[in-house]
Amino acid sequence: AQSVTQLDSHVSVSEGTPVLLRCNYSSSYSPSLFWYVQHPNKGLQLLLKYTSAATLVKGINGFEAEFKKSETSFHLTKPSAHMSDAAEYFCVVSNFGNEKLTFGTGTRLTIIP
Amino acid sequence: GAVVSQHPSWVICKSGTSVKIECRSLDFQATTMFWYRQFPKQSLMLMATSNEGSKATYEQGVEKDKFLINHASLTLSTLTVTSAHPEDSSFYICSAWLVGETQYFGPGTRLLVL
Repeated sequence: AQSVTQLDSHVSVSEGTPVLLRCNYSSSYSPSLFWYVQHPNKGLQLLLKYTSAATLVKGINGFEAEFKKSETSFHLTKPSAHMSDAAEYFCVVSNFGNEKLTFGTGTRLTIIP
Repeated sequence: GAVVSQHPSWVICKSGTSVKIECRSLDFQATTMFWYRQFPKQSLMLMATSNEGSKATYEQGVEKDKFLINHASLTLSTLTVTSAHPEDSSFYICSAWLVGETQYFGPGTRLLVL
């Protein structure tokens, strides 16, 4: 069984300040982990993915995430928030080799001008 | 990157009618596609796994006779909501699995049943 917990349903940061979106996972096997972003009334866009290679994963738009097995975490960060980052972010887990995805409940990121 | 399209992007229908939503992988072949449902301000819930040339696998609690899935080719899966009712109003999102990589998601279809 696999699951993912997004610790914050809503995060607000000022433009130009760092972003931290937290995610913890549970998986019986070696997991694959993903972060997706969804803008209002849009589909999902893949930000980055971890699949047992480097633990620090760099994604698009300046985002990155670090896989920490000892903490079962996969937090998403960005050094400097931009207004266009305002969206819903989903942390997702799948068992390695298993294409079935399990979504977290999402974190809504608000950027304050 | 791989592109997945959905058609229509939004649809309004009367209660009791059926609605078909198409999901296409535009630049790759997908033996497996997935259908998700998303209620307002909620996460995506997997409805079913669509396998080319075979019957779909439905998640627990999803009525297979209400949500008909057909995956007739390696680039097309369809979801038909039969006898739609207002409670079926939702955002339906499909994805196509590119083997060795990940799922690529379509832009979604918003369904409103009056």
